[in-house]
Amino acid sequence: EDKVVQSPLSLVVHEGDTVTLNCSYEVTNFRSLLWYKQEKKAPTFLFMLTSSGIEKKSGRLSSILDKKELFSILNITATQTGDSAIYLCASTSYNTDKLIFGTGTRLQVFP
Amino acid sequence: DTAVSQTPKYLVTQMGNDKSIKCEQNLGHDTMYWYKQDSKKFLKIMFSYNNKELIINETVPNRFSPKSPDKAHLNLHINSLELGDSAVYFCASSHEPGQGYSPLHFGNGTRLTVT
Repeated sequence: EDKVVQSPLSLVVHEGDTVTLNCSYEVTNFRSLLWYKQEKKAPTFLFMLTSSGIEKKSGRLSSILDKKELFSILNITATQTGDSAIYLCASTSYNTDKLIFGTGTRLQVFP
Repeated sequence: DTAVSQTPKYLVTQMGNDKSIKCEQNLGHDTMYWYKQDSKKFLKIMFSYNNKELIINETVPNRFSPKSPDKAHLNLHINSLELGDSAVYFCASSHEPGQGYSPLHFGNGTRLTVT
């Protein structure tokens, strides 16, 4: 059965710290991996990764995919309190239209 | 000008009742979805519609019935509500039925509490 596992489940840091969130996947006929940020309401899209080794970057956030080792990381540098959220990783395959989500990493950034 | 909007935001009801959640998107997307997020924040797909046709129907009780009057709307009707139905239900839309190449745009969720 396809699955996505995220770690750590929870992370507490101070403003200015750099954090790395992990996402590993076991998906038959893998197609893409996506990262979402969920604050109080709806998840918002961050990145979509389909190719290994190509870093995607948006401001202080960046992400990379390793299709050989079947994982992705999401880096956040110089964290701010506004980065506090649940970060969701999801994967898709060519076999199905479903998006399989991990349980998320809850990040809390304190001043 | 909300992209994906759901109503109501909160729904509190008793066991055995029938309720509906409405969803509308103004993004011009062809595909809409319903996801259920449980108390552990785990998001799981329930249904997916492409141009008003059902394309994904996960192992969801028959008490849940999606209805798509047009491609901009996907409503979720739930019969005979049970305690275990309590969760946050998210509507989402995307350009393509294959979620891999087109990120989802989520609504803000409907928190359903069954007492």
